[in-house]
Amino acid sequence: QKEVEQDPGPLSVPEGAIVSLNCTYSNSAFQYFMWYRQYSRKGPELLMYTYSSGNKEDGRFTAQVDKSSKYISLFIRDSQPSDSATYLCAMSGNPTQGGSEKLVFGKGTKLTVNP
Amino acid sequence: NAGVTQTPKFQVLKTGQSMTLQCAQDMNHNSMYWYRQDPGMGLRLIYYSASEGTTDKGEVPNGYNVSRLNKREFSLRLESAAPSQTSVYFCASSESPGGSNSPLHFGNGTRLTVT
Repeated sequence: QKEVEQDPGPLSVPEGAIVSLNCTYSNSAFQYFMWYRQYSRKGPELLMYTYSSGNKEDGRFTAQVDKSSKYISLFIRDSQPSDSATYLCAMSGNPTQGGSEKLVFGKGTKLTVNP
Repeated sequence: NAGVTQTPKFQVLKTGQSMTLQCAQDMNHNSMYWYRQDPGMGLRLIYYSASEGTTDKGEVPNGYNVSRLNKREFSLRLESAAPSQTSVYFCASSESPGGSNSPLHFGNGTRLTVT
């Protein structure tokens, strides 16, 4: 079983739709959870960052972590064509709690929002 | 503020040729990384430098060498290029090692083709 699994898509939605992107993981030591957004022919950029469990909201974006299910999600409300990109989840452990600081990436989900 | 700058943006090599990919960051970050990104494989860590003066192998180091020239610059060298090294190469930096509580900042990549 891979440490981090992410459905590569592609995912195509109409403008204004609610988008749900997900990753599952197997390493229970993961404590830090991130979502990176990568536009075509650009480098990834950090979009959302969460420590441990719970929700975090930033504008139209909400990140959720369910450590009991080893499942993280990124929700995009009122999706826009400018949200079209590949979204990569990433996670790592907490070195102060015996986890590895090595960052493990999902393979990315390609999203297209159609006008 | 340029962030992470990679040169060149594109390169075509013949099998057996050598080249050096350059990376510089202006954020005074301690840690720097080289990743490659291939379709269906996601981001894979080649080498990293946790701090100036140190380098370590990542997941796929074979065929590559690195030099942490100073705090700002981290270069990746292909001594004898092979078609399997055709990829997009990303340099990244972070304030502290691992990218867990110190997110990674990526450059925009070098697209390398080896024929």
